[in-house]
Formats: sequence, structure tokens, C-alpha cells
Amino acid sequence: SQQGEEDPQALSIQEGENATMNCSYKTSINNLQWYRQNSGRGLVHLILIRSNEREKHSGRLRVTLDTSKKSSSLLITASRAADTASYFCATVTSGSRLTFGEGTQLTVNP
Amino acid sequence: ETGVTQTPRHLVMGMTNKKSLKCEQHLGHNAMYWYKQSAKKPLELMFVYSLEERVENNSVPSRFSPECPNSSHLFLHLHTLQPEDSALYLCASSQSFEADYGYTFGSGTRLTVV
Repeated sequence: SQQGEEDPQALSIQEGENATMNCSYKTSINNLQWYRQNSGRGLVHLILIRSNEREKHSGRLRVTLDTSKKSSSLLITASRAADTASYFCATVTSGSRLTFGEGTQLTVNP
Repeated sequence: ETGVTQTPRHLVMGMTNKKSLKCEQHLGHNAMYWYKQSAKKPLELMFVYSLEERVENNSVPSRFSPECPNSSHLFLHLHTLQPEDSALYLCASSQSFEADYGYTFGSGTRLTVV
């Protein structure tokens, strides 16, 4: 069954603006991961946040996790045209593998 | 290159053909996976191998047959496929079975069944 659900489904912004994508999930998790996929290519792992962590940073990426609300957000600051891609959250529950949501399509206009 | 290589990149096959998809990783990872990505659907996990042993088969039709001869190679053998099997097939690997460190994906094989 689908675990993560991203919101919005599509997001279009101008270069230099910040992009925020949200992910909600249904059951308790061990960790939550964010991936990027350029059109027709494989997924690239961006960041992993464990259930006992609340925030992580990696370069221009900031991920938050609220286990009480079963939600996570991915913030990309100072976006660039090269950030145009689909972004997926994926959850890992105990005894389970990565389960992906349907993704958010981000378009960054130059 | 991510360290996970998939061949071929594109494949067109008839419904009566037999073909194989290949995945190779030299990252020293112990677990490998096949995923199917269809348009407007979440990624679907098909098979999981840990240390060359199949540990999961998510109700995948028998026309898909995986093979893992060693920890670096994973195959997906295809026969008598249906047009609805057309999709992007992604291979991934991870250090451990428990996905504590994220997955590394290949670029995928775009399969079209005619």
C-alpha cells in the first residue's frame, strides 16, 4: 500500500525562489528519504532523516520531520533551473522496504 | 554514473519475445532491488535480493523472472509480456537490507511491449 503522499503534485516557481514540498504518511516509520528524478532517468538519493530527528540540512536542502503529524517537508532554497525534476518521498517502516509516493513535479523557470 | 549500471537503456519487444534486463553494481552493496515505474503511478517494488537470496516477491506475475548470480549482478528475465508491462524498470542497491542508508538507483530500462 502507498505510504507517502506528496503535496503539491506540481509546483512551478522562478529561479531564485524557494520551493517547498510536503509529504504525509500513514504508519510509524524508521526513516524517511527524499529522492530526485530527472525526466526518464533513475532516482537520486538526496537526504535521509531518521524518526528521532526533526531537521536535517544538506547544501541548499532542508528537510523537516514531524512524527506527531506524520509529515515531512523538503525545502530547496535559491532554486535553479537545474533543480527541475520530480521529487519523491519514501518511507521505511520496520520490516519493510522503501515505499514511494507519487512525487511532486517541480519546474524552475529561468 | 551512480555506480549502478542498467542495460539496455531502451528495449522494444513483442509479446512472444524473451529478453533480459541486466543490472550491475560495484559499490559493495549487499541488497539489490527491481522496481517498476509506470506513468502516473508510484514506484512498485517487484523483487528484493539480499546476499544473492531472494527475500521478497511482491505478487509479480511469473512472466517476470529475476536472477541474482552474485552480489554484483541482477537480471530480470522477461517472456510473453503484455502491453501493460510497458514501463521504466529501475534497479537499485543498498548497503544493507534495512535501507538505513538510502538506495542507489540505476538509470533504468525503458521497456515498450508491442
